[in-house]
Parts: sequence; structure tokens; C-alpha cells
Amino acid sequence: DAGVTQSPTHLIKTRGQQVTLRCSPKSGHDTVSWYQQALGQGPQFIFQYYEEEERQRGNFPDRFSGHQFPNYSSELNVNALLLGDSALYLCASSFDGEAFFGQGTRLTVV
Amino acid sequence: QQQVKQSPQSLIVQKGGISIINCAYENTAFDYFPWYQQFPGKGPALLIAIRPDVSEKKEGRFTISFNKSAKQFSLHIMDSQPGDSATYFCAASASGSARQLTFGSGTQLTVLP
Repeated sequence: DAGVTQSPTHLIKTRGQQVTLRCSPKSGHDTVSWYQQALGQGPQFIFQYYEEEERQRGNFPDRFSGHQFPNYSSELNVNALLLGDSALYLCASSFDGEAFFGQGTRLTVV
Repeated sequence: QQQVKQSPQSLIVQKGGISIINCAYENTAFDYFPWYQQFPGKGPALLIAIRPDVSEKKEGRFTISFNKSAKQFSLHIMDSQPGDSATYFCAASASGSARQLTFGSGTQLTVLP
């Protein structure tokens, strides 16, 4: 049983560009959440998707958007990238509250 | 009120010793308290979790102690091993918030051989 998989593993983007990160949830999980983890800090909740709808959103600007597909996979989009968006982006899938994380996408904005 | 405060920031323990990491919260709506282990370059891995209807939960060498009245919980790692060297995060969530996790700031554990 594959766990949560994220792609790509690493990404370098220029300030002002747009980026799309992808996540495939653990088998049987219908809920996907995205977190941002800055270096040396705990993950911060961005938003959660359930039944293809954004169910909850953290304190992140509208530049951060997402999507969930019928197979429960998800995308995180970030527009107009800032240097401060450099972080590890984590996807977590869950069922009945227990969340499992992928290995993350390391985004570097230069 | 959403914060989870974690201490210490770093911890050095001898092999075979007990590692103790503490967390405190303020939001009384929190009803699920997991601990995650994270190695460099990897995502957090769920270690053990507790709900407030019990005061202690043990899984192998890992034990969570929970004090509802003090709004505190802690992770104890018995017989600590060098392979346990990692960053540990406590977290909390509430059923009414889509189970979004609020994380502590992390504890970097080093177990000396």
C-alpha cells in the first residue's frame, strides 16, 4: 500500500512565477490537507479539501489555491511567488482524523 | 488560543536514557493530540496519538502522558536509541475545525551512542 506521494520532490522558481504541487493520498483516504513548513519550524495549515471542496482554510493569502480531483488527489497552486514562500510543502491525507504526511516538496524561490 | 507550546527546543540524551518532551495548549476544543517524528528531508511520521478520555497511552518505547486539567501533554521515549535522533512535533486538533493540526515548534532530539 503506497503512502502519501508528492511531486515534485524539489523545485526552484523565480520570484513572481506560479507553481503547482501535486499529491496522491493514501489508499482509502478521502481528505487532503496542505501544510507549509518553514526551515526550523512546525508545519502551518494552509487548507483542506474534502469531496472536491475546500472545507477549511488557514491564515494564508489568496495566492494559495488548491483543487481536489474525483480520485481524491490534490494540487496546491501558488501564484506570484515571493521569496518568503520558500519552504517544505507537505500534503497529508486522512480518514477519521488520523493524518499521514508525504515526504514533501522543497520549494525554493530565488 | 490556537497555539501549542512545545519545550525544550533541543534535547541531548545518552543511549538508554529517557527523553521527555512537553507541550501545553490553551484551546479547550482540542480533542486529539498526536506526536510526529521527522527526519531531515522527510515528512512528519505519526508516532502515537491520544484522546483526552485517557491519561496515558503506551506503544512500545513511546508513551504519551495527558493532563486535561493542566492542558498539558508529554512524550516519553524510554531506552532512547541513536536512531531516535530526529525532530519531534506535538500537535493538536479539534473535531469542529475539520481536524486541522496545530503544531508545536518542534524539539530536536540527539541521542548519543
